Amino acid sequence: EVQVLESGGGLVQPGGSLRLSCAASGFTFSTYAMSWVRQAPGKGLEWVSGISGSASSTKYADSVKGRFTISRDNSKNTLDLQMNSLRAEDTAVYYCAKALYGGMDVWGKGTTVTVSS
Amino acid sequence: QSALTQPRSVSGSPGQSVTISCTGTSSDVGGYNYVSWCQQHPGKAPKLMIFDVSRRPSGVPDRFSGSKSGNTASLTISGLQAEDEADYYCCSYAGSYTWVFGGGTKLTVL
Repeated sequence: EVQVLESGGGLVQPGGSLRLSCAASGFTFSTYAMSWVRQAPGKGLEWVSGISGSASSTKYADSVKGRFTISRDNSKNTLDLQMNSLRAEDTAVYYCAKALYGGMDVWGKGTTVTVSS
Repeated sequence: QSALTQPRSVSGSPGQSVTISCTGTSSDVGGYNYVSWCQQHPGKAPKLMIFDVSRRPSGVPDRFSGSKSGNTASLTISGLQAEDEADYYCCSYAGSYTWVFGGGTKLTVL
């Protein structure tokens, strides 16, 4: 079965750091780009970051550029998101998704990040 | 990186058809045939319903169809059913491993 499973969410104070992970299975992980997408409470989906299959290219939304770092380990079929200098507005459910150019076809259940003192 | 523009809400009665629009720019919707639509029920993860503008993943009913003209994409749901009530998001590739989502449309089945 093709699936991705996020972990690592939690409560963190403003200015703090958190590392999210995503474990992929059921597909040739290194062949596909991956993305992180978030959804703040009561809000819509927001693309956060993307990475190519080989990890040679990484991109970020302006809202997280310079604070978040996406990476992947193709030997372990894992995707990570290192989040630093967290702000209240980063509070959201974070989804890992297998990213085709034409759409994100596999989504995880999400992991919740809460930034609050 | 501006969000794509979708109507905040649409509604229709069972059996009717509804269309949701998604307007972007020549840098995203208009520049690539890589528009997708996701359905999200409350408290659930998004589910891909349409990719590559008009293709349906396996298992998605053919009541769901997509199209694009210029900088505007559309999702049409025909033969509305109660279980179609959900939030719908368009998404477009914007080049170099970047994507942009629409603000979402709440579909109410009357």
